[in-house]
Amino acid sequence: DVKVTQSSRYLVKRTGEKVFLECVQDMDHENMFWYRQDPGLGLRLIYFSYDVKMKEKGDIPEGYSVSREKKERFSLILESASTNQTSMYLCASSSPGVRGPLNVYNEQFFGPGTRLTVL
Amino acid sequence: LAKTTQPISMDSYEGQEVNITCSHNNIATNDYITWYQQFPSQGPRFIIQGYKTKVTNEVASLFIPADRKSSTLSLPRVSLSDTAVYYCLVGDIRYSSASKIIFGSGTRLSIRP
Repeated sequence: DVKVTQSSRYLVKRTGEKVFLECVQDMDHENMFWYRQDPGLGLRLIYFSYDVKMKEKGDIPEGYSVSREKKERFSLILESASTNQTSMYLCASSSPGVRGPLNVYNEQFFGPGTRLTVL
Repeated sequence: LAKTTQPISMDSYEGQEVNITCSHNNIATNDYITWYQQFPSQGPRFIIQGYKTKVTNEVASLFIPADRKSSTLSLPRVSLSDTAVYYCLVGDIRYSSASKIIFGSGTRLSIRP
């Protein structure tokens, strides 16, 4: 089974702190994603990486950066945390190849999420 | 990129069949339709994906009419454990790109005893 792990389930930080959220996947997936989830807004993509050291901005990249130095690890960085970044952060990974008898493309596997509170 | 519209919420009872419809009027030729399920305090998980007609797996069925401007996720004989948020995604996800990945707000399904 694919396993996506995130470094913390809950995190409390202060305004202005630099925050690192870590995500690790164990299935050799090329693609990795960072989303944030807020009530009434669903999941919004922050950044996407399709290979080591490669990244692409999602819908809401402002205030965030990412790092992918190794294939299995994708980090989300809040350079200077602000209260409006209080949210649930979800990491996911996928392989661009086709899986299974129904030819499923790019099934994303999600981690359990990190609930970040910025005070 | 095709915009999707889903009901915000739905209610049903145990043992009933539940159908959740997603509208995607400007779906493109190469777009696929994918559904995810999210339980409280968990990340979403993949349910089903299709391109046209009908797809069925052990969890659900996906019905896609000929014009592909909508799709319907069908959950047979739901139980309390099917209470979750269901997301419909439409895009050409054969070739990954951030511009093709939009989850939206989803449909909150509540199942009652």
